[in-house]
Amino acid sequence: EVQLVESGGGLVQPGGSLRLSCAASGFTFSNSWMSWVRLAPGKGLEWVAKWVANINQDGTEKNYVDSVKGRFTISRDNAKNSLSLQMDSLRAEDTAVYYCAREGSGWFFDQWGQGTLVTVSS
Amino acid sequence: QSALTQPASVSGSPGQSITISCTGTSSDVGGYNSVSWYQQHPGKAPKLMIYDVTNRPSGVSSRFSGSKSGNTASLTISGLLTEDEADYYCSSYTSSRTYVFGTGTKVTVL
Repeated sequence: EVQLVESGGGLVQPGGSLRLSCAASGFTFSNSWMSWVRLAPGKGLEWVAKWVANINQDGTEKNYVDSVKGRFTISRDNAKNSLSLQMDSLRAEDTAVYYCAREGSGWFFDQWGQGTLVTVSS
Repeated sequence: QSALTQPASVSGSPGQSITISCTGTSSDVGGYNSVSWYQQHPGKAPKLMIYDVTNRPSGVSSRFSGSKSGNTASLTISGLLTEDEADYYCSSYTSSRTYVFGTGTKVTVL
């Protein structure tokens, strides 16, 4: 059974940092393309970042939504089947539930974690 | 990276059919056959309902169907059930090699 379990959320002050983790199991993580997606209170889903593995067998690709570029960093540890999101210079508008999502055999998300809540407030 | 445009709410009676639209641009919806749809109940994770415009994952009811014309994609739910009451989001791959979601539609079963 495929499982994605996020952790690391919490309350942080504006300007602070937080690191989210996503533990994956039940599939070959090293060959999977992964993303982070968030849901802010009263708003809709927003794609945040992605890690595309093994493009042409010669590297990886990381992309971010404009609003987090330079502040968030996506990374992964294939040995630990883990995806991470380092969030720096946090703002109130980053308050959201953050989901780890697996990209399916195409450009869509076929598996999601249960989410972890990040609250940025003084 | 503007969000795709969806109606804020759509409602229907049990047994009826409803359609949710999702409008983007030639750089996302119109440029790729990569529109997907997600159902999200309050406090739950999103669930994939349609991928690649028209395909249903295993286990998703055939009452859910998708289509696309130009820059607008649509999700149709036929034979509406009370359990279909949820938020629905479309998503598309973009020419910037990123993803964009729709603004979301709250479906209410009257």
